[in-house]
Amino acid sequence: QVTLRESGPALVKPTQTLTLTCTFSGFSLSTSGMCVSWIRQPPGKALEWLALIDWDDDKYYSTSLKTRLTISKDTSKNQVVLTMTNMDPVDTATYYCARMMVAAGSYNWFDPWGQGTLVTVSS
Amino acid sequence: EIVMTQSPATLSVSPGERATLSCRASQSVSSNLAWYQQKPGQAPRLLIYGASTRATGIPARFSGSGSGTEFTLTISSLQSEDFAVYYCQQYNNWPAYTFGQGTKLEIK
Repeated sequence: QVTLRESGPALVKPTQTLTLTCTFSGFSLSTSGMCVSWIRQPPGKALEWLALIDWDDDKYYSTSLKTRLTISKDTSKNQVVLTMTNMDPVDTATYYCARMMVAAGSYNWFDPWGQGTLVTVSS
Repeated sequence: EIVMTQSPATLSVSPGERATLSCRASQSVSSNLAWYQQKPGQAPRLLIYGASTRATGIPARFSGSGSGTEFTLTISSLQSEDFAVYYCQQYNNWPAYTFGQGTKLEIK
């Protein structure tokens, strides 16, 4: 059974750096084709893709946020870490991590997702 | 960026009836489209990928169709557990993944 769980601070101040950890089980990020992605959802709003890291340590970022994001993995711990710098109240959202499996060379859909962690940005 | 537009924003349907949700892409995404269901306080759950393939464990009452820029999610006979928000997502233009703004399916 594949599970993912996000962890990190519930509250950060504006201008601070957010660090979130996704701890997963049921698969290995050293297995060819495996990826983990981060997606966020502001309260009452739609989903926004943020970043992805694959088994080969290739990293992809949202164009609009790439200067603020860093994604990394620790295969031995089954963890993926996302950092986001210069946090602002508009970054208040539930942050999800999700698995992706590459198929036929295509980086495609997200399944399954973690339960999400709500991060509030406020002074 | 490919913009995904879902309609309607809210759909009111009675249990047992059919629900039809639409998703339009601003440019062709071929069949590279997924649908997710999200219930309050829960993470999204994958329903459909490849525009029409049901994910593992998804009931047959859920079906997807379309290609190019026009897509439809149909729920043939609504059950109480189906009332939720539904999102479409394109992955044709990866890694610039984009989601629709969602359709809320509510009980009439």
